[in-house]
Amino acid sequence: DTEVTQTPKHLVMGMTNKKSLKCEQHMGHRAMYWYKQKAKKPPELMFVYSYEKLSINESVPSRFSPECPNSSLLNLHLHALQPEDSALYLCASSQEPSLSYEQYFGPGTRLTVT
Amino acid sequence: GESVGLHLPTLSVQEGDNSIINCAYSNSASDYFIWYKQESGKGPQFIIDIRSNMDKRQGQRVTVLLNKTVKHLSLQIAATQPGDSAVYFCAEIHTNAGKSTFGDGTTLTVKP
Repeated sequence: DTEVTQTPKHLVMGMTNKKSLKCEQHMGHRAMYWYKQKAKKPPELMFVYSYEKLSINESVPSRFSPECPNSSLLNLHLHALQPEDSALYLCASSQEPSLSYEQYFGPGTRLTVT
Repeated sequence: GESVGLHLPTLSVQEGDNSIINCAYSNSASDYFIWYKQESGKGPQFIIDIRSNMDKRQGQRVTVLLNKTVKHLSLQIAATQPGDSAVYFCAEIHTNAGKSTFGDGTTLTVKP
């Protein structure tokens, strides 16, 4: 199984809502990543989890809160988002943090903030 | 001086022609480079990689060239097919930092 799954595929939320994005992999990978991708732009790294601990936070606003409940799951909790946060949110995983280059990406969650 | 290809945001080619997609990277300490293909509605998919101690690597129908002097990367696709239509991104990796930085993408359109 070389698949990274993400749910939901699409999400529409208001600025006062609280929602969560979920990511799952069963490849035994110990590093997991969240990226944000705006239309026609490259993915931008948000967070890196290494062995279930947050290792990199690319100065992401606190309205985005990541969580890694176990080695297979990665969540991104959303609260009080702004319309400019609308984007495709991609999850990725790699076997080891030092192997950040061998990343497998999920299909993404298309988020719209109204 | 040596001439290198410009990064183009879009590229349109005829089916069967060869395609060349260019990328400039920024960090001279980057030691690993990847080309990704992203189709509509999907996440990026690994195509080919190259380490900084190499200047060329070939895969099936794809070749990556690395010019560290001018910090330039290119992806050559031979006999381009309609299924190659996608957005292509290069990524530079500084393995000690544990993260990838993506370059601007190129949208490749293959005309039948």
